[in-house]
Amino acid sequence: GENVEQHPSTLSVQEGDSAVIKCTYSDSASNYFPWYKQELGKRPQLIIDIRSNVGEKKDQRIAVTLNKTAKHFSLHITETQPEDSAVYFCAATSDSWGKLQFGAGTQVVVTP
Amino acid sequence: GAVVSQHPSWVICKSGTSVKIECRSLDFQATTMFWYRQFPKQSLMLMATSNEGSKATYEQGVEKDKFLINHASLTLSTLTVTSAHPEDSSFYICSARGWFRTDTQYFGPGTRLTVL
Repeated sequence: GENVEQHPSTLSVQEGDSAVIKCTYSDSASNYFPWYKQELGKRPQLIIDIRSNVGEKKDQRIAVTLNKTAKHFSLHITETQPEDSAVYFCAATSDSWGKLQFGAGTQVVVTP
Repeated sequence: GAVVSQHPSWVICKSGTSVKIECRSLDFQATTMFWYRQFPKQSLMLMATSNEGSKATYEQGVEKDKFLINHASLTLSTLTVTSAHPEDSSFYICSARGWFRTDTQYFGPGTRLTVL
């Protein structure tokens, strides 16, 4: 089955700086890669996703890149703000039912 | 759009009792619903996949007789934790996938279960 590894586990950045989180996956058939943001005690919220036929996608301060050859994808957050502090999870799926395999998560702390 | 609710948001029960958690898609019909368990500071672990009108598919290591899943309609799935024990205490989260944007899962707010 699919295995997703996520790095780093924690990331501290100064407000205004950029944050990058990287994930690798094992199943070359994976075709959908969402990123979720989860605040403490809350539900995971989809912040951006990318499909295997696209190499990059951007939504305001958030961007995701996908390298299918290397089987890795990354989340980029620019001009970080304190409200970006949360746990971020990457995920991947190749399953027809859409079962997601999640990475271990990255705790992002943005300090003013 | 694409709102998923869960009830209750938290529950405390005694060891040996059963607890039912409801997951509803409020403004869309869910082709598939998923149940996850999340321990503190850990990732989401998929427990089972549920499709309306059919038996749930459980992940390896998840006891189907302990975690009963019923997906009675396109907007409702329930998870019953039977004979709960303290080690079942966790954050249970459901998600739903609709006919639109079939890849995307929308998550419920979660249920905090504490078994005494």
